[in-house]
Amino acid sequence: KAGVTQTPRYLIKTRGQQVTLSCSPISGHRSVSWYQQTPGQGLQFLFEYFSETQRNKGNFPGRFSGRQFSNSRSEMNVSTLELGDSALYLCASTPREGANTGELFFGEGSRLTVL
Amino acid sequence: GENVEQHPSTLSVQEGDSAVIKCTYSDSASNYFPWYKQELGKRPQLIIDIRSNVGEKKDQRIAVTLNKTAKHFSLHITETQPEDSAVYFCAASKNTGNQFYFGTGTSLTVIP
Repeated sequence: KAGVTQTPRYLIKTRGQQVTLSCSPISGHRSVSWYQQTPGQGLQFLFEYFSETQRNKGNFPGRFSGRQFSNSRSEMNVSTLELGDSALYLCASTPREGANTGELFFGEGSRLTVL
Repeated sequence: GENVEQHPSTLSVQEGDSAVIKCTYSDSASNYFPWYKQELGKRPQLIIDIRSNVGEKKDQRIAVTLNKTAKHFSLHITETQPEDSAVYFCAASKNTGNQFYFGTGTSLTVIP
């Protein structure tokens, strides 16, 4: 089975631009969540989607948004980029339905650099 | 919201020694506590987890203990090997979906 796939792997943007990141979960996984990883901050939860609906949202400004498609693929968008948005964005999917299902299967991440 | 604190931030041990990483959480409703290992340049991967109805769980050289009263849980690695060198993250979750609160990570170095 293919793992979680994230594209693009690396990207460089300038302040004020917007960016869209894509995530394809493991086949059969319907829950997709996004995390921001920065040095010293660990992984911070952005949002979770299940069956095309946002189920949970972290404490990030409205510039961060996401969506999920009927095939469970997910995208996240960051508008009006700031220098502090530079980070590794990790997508994770989970194998079972329902809450608190256990293991997160992470993708390799999209590394965003904002200049 | 939940707050997970993790200590130490860096840890160096000699090969064969034990390593212990500790985490505390603030929300008594949290009931699932996984540990992830992230090797340099790679994705985080689950190494062990524990649910709130269990006090201890062991998997070969790795064990996790949970003290619900004190709201803390720990990762124990025995007989450490160089391949154990990585960043380890603890996390906590409630039964409200797959929203996890992660600690800030511990960089473990095992010296051969």
